[in-house]
Amino acid sequence: QSVLTQPPSVSGAPGQRVTISCTGSSSNIGAGYDVHWYQQLPGTAPKLLIYGNSNRPSGVPDRFSGSKSGTSASLAITGLQAEDEADYYCQSYDSSLSAVFGGGTKLTVL
Amino acid sequence: QVQLVQSGAEVKKPGASVKVSCKASGYTFTSYGISWVRQAPGQGLEWMGWISAYNGNTNYAQKLQGRVTMTTDTSTSTAYMELRSLRSDDTAVYYCARDRKRFDPWGQGTLVTVSS
Repeated sequence: QSVLTQPPSVSGAPGQRVTISCTGSSSNIGAGYDVHWYQQLPGTAPKLLIYGNSNRPSGVPDRFSGSKSGTSASLAITGLQAEDEADYYCQSYDSSLSAVFGGGTKLTVL
Repeated sequence: QVQLVQSGAEVKKPGASVKVSCKASGYTFTSYGISWVRQAPGQGLEWMGWISAYNGNTNYAQKLQGRVTMTTDTSTSTAYMELRSLRSDDTAVYYCARDRKRFDPWGQGTLVTVSS
C-alpha cells in the first residue's frame, strides 16, 4: 500500500491528452511538500520528469506539465507519442521525514 | 555530466548481507546527500533512506531500521548501502539517487537476488 495514490493504468491514442492523478494527505502533499514526477521506461532507471510541482528539467518536452492543489497533484501529457509509453511515479515528502512514492501508473499509448 | 554508477548484480542466500556501492561524478559530492530506493520485481518504488555526504547523518525507513546501514567515502565520492539478514522479499533492483527530497539523477540500478 503506497502512501500516495495513483491510478494503476491510463491509456490514450497518439496525439491525445492524458492526466495522471496523485492523491496524498495532510502529512505530505497537503503539508506543503513539493511533488515530483518520474518516468520509468521499460528496463531502465527512473528519470526526473517534473520537479517542484510544475517545473521541467532541461530536456523534458513541454508536452509534460504538472500541477498541485491541496492534497493532490497531477501530471498531464499532451500530444501523446509512442515513446511516452512508460510507468510514471509521483513522489513527495512526509512529516515523518520520509520520502513517499505513489504506486505508479502504467501509460499505454494505443 | 552528473552521474551515479552502481556496482554489479549480486546473488545472496537468505540470512546473508549485501553491500551496494554508488560512485558519484560530475559534482561536488559533499554538497548533496544520497538516497536509496528499491524496486521489487514488477512492483513500485520504495524509499529506503538517505545519507548526508557532508556529515554522514542518516535517515532510514522505519521498516528497515536495524537491518540497513548507509555510509559514504568522501575520498572516492562513493556511497554504500548495506542490507543485512536478507530475506526473499528483499529481492529487488536497488537504486541510488542524488539528494534527499527529490531524486536526480539515479544510478543504473543493482539487482540483488536472494535465493537459497
